[in-house]
Amino acid sequence: DGGITQSPKYLFRKEGQNVTLSCEQNLNHDAMYWYRQDPGQGLRLIYYSQIVNDFQKGDIAEGYSVSREKKESFPLTVTSAQKNPTAFYLCASSIDSTSGGPRTDTQYFGPGTRLTVL
Amino acid sequence: GEDVEQSLFLSVREGDSSVINCTYTDSSSTYLYWYKQEPGAGLQLLTYIFSNMDMKQDQRLTVLLNKKDKHLSLRIADTQTGDSAIYFCAETNRLASNTGKLIFGQGTTLQVKP
Repeated sequence: DGGITQSPKYLFRKEGQNVTLSCEQNLNHDAMYWYRQDPGQGLRLIYYSQIVNDFQKGDIAEGYSVSREKKESFPLTVTSAQKNPTAFYLCASSIDSTSGGPRTDTQYFGPGTRLTVL
Repeated sequence: GEDVEQSLFLSVREGDSSVINCTYTDSSSTYLYWYKQEPGAGLQLLTYIFSNMDMKQDQRLTVLLNKKDKHLSLRIADTQTGDSAIYFCAETNRLASNTGKLIFGQGTTLQVKP
């Protein structure tokens, strides 16, 4: 089955700890995205990557870090510098190319990871 | 920057039609999307519309786009209890950003009463 997987589904962290959220896709998509979702708010973009070994900050990158060493993987680290990390984290991917259009820009989402800081 | 606004809550009776509204500020949006999110799950793509279209129909779903007023709506005919979810409107403008970045609204929670 092709798709996007995220693990773990639930994650608990003590204050002061770094944690890494996994995102893997086997869709052969070039672009991958990380979003944060808080109750009553839309999705806010944390980081995105259009190609391997390259990524850009989104709107709320402070306190987060990413890597893109492989096309299929885009892990997100929530560092201790993130002051309010409790949230639902969503990973997405899209074909992405320079031509644009719904076929390439449509984003497909993983099931999400709920992070709770204790 | 670009902004997308949605009303937060809609309640309908099973069998009625639901209309979820969205407004956006980017006058050069290229594509507009509707996603559905069930509790504790990721987002599921429902449909999209190109900015030069006025309407798109897909089974029980009808999308209307008023580009002049920057208003997008999603109509769900014969709403079922399984349609209860959060619905997100999103837009993209590759011409401006050269990326496929999406701008999301806050989401509309649809409650379907039996």
